[in-house]
Amino acid sequence: EAAVTQSPRSKVAVTGGKVTLSCHQTNNHDYMYWYRQDTGHGLRLIHYSYVADSTEKGDIPDGYKASRPSQENFSLILELASLSQTAVYFCASSDQNTEVFFGKGTRLTVV
Amino acid sequence: GEQVEQRPPHLSVREGDSAVITCTYTDPNSYYFFWYKQEPGASLQLLMKVFSSTEINEGQGFTVLLNKKDKRLSLNLTAAHPGDSAAYFCAVNDTGGADRLTFGKGTQLIIQP
Repeated sequence: EAAVTQSPRSKVAVTGGKVTLSCHQTNNHDYMYWYRQDTGHGLRLIHYSYVADSTEKGDIPDGYKASRPSQENFSLILELASLSQTAVYFCASSDQNTEVFFGKGTRLTVV
Repeated sequence: GEQVEQRPPHLSVREGDSAVITCTYTDPNSYYFFWYKQEPGASLQLLMKVFSSTEINEGQGFTVLLNKKDKRLSLNLTAAHPGDSAAYFCAVNDTGGADRLTFGKGTQLIIQP
């Protein structure tokens, strides 16, 4: 079964600190994504990647960086975490024209 | 870019009744449409993927209707049961693939016994 694994599942970070969220997929998919979910909102696309060593900006990239060192791994980096980045983050993977598979999410609280 | 409006944000129905959730979108070139279900604390589970060429799609216990003229997508749950209690999200894609989905804000559905 297709699998997208996120770590950590929850994290508390200090304002101004660096946060790295990791994602690993065993689906052999080319596409990977990072979405953010806020209460009362749908998912919004932060960064995505079509191939290893390349990332693209999504709809809300400000304050985030992404890294795709291999086909299986995709990280989201918050260099200077802010209170407004408190949210649930979902990683996902897919191929063109296939279902998007989501991870279980990472709940990030910035204090 | 694409914008998706989903209604209602909250919906409570009795067990056995029907429930309807609707999304409207703005990009007439949108091609793929998706409904996701999210249970508390869980990830998103794909309910149905709809192509722009098909107006009616039926799943187990629900029907998805696509009205391209009005740019409206609806999820109709028939005979709701407690297991249907969850958040539901529509998503729209205009690239012809599964990437770059634009999501609605979600509907929190509660099924009352």
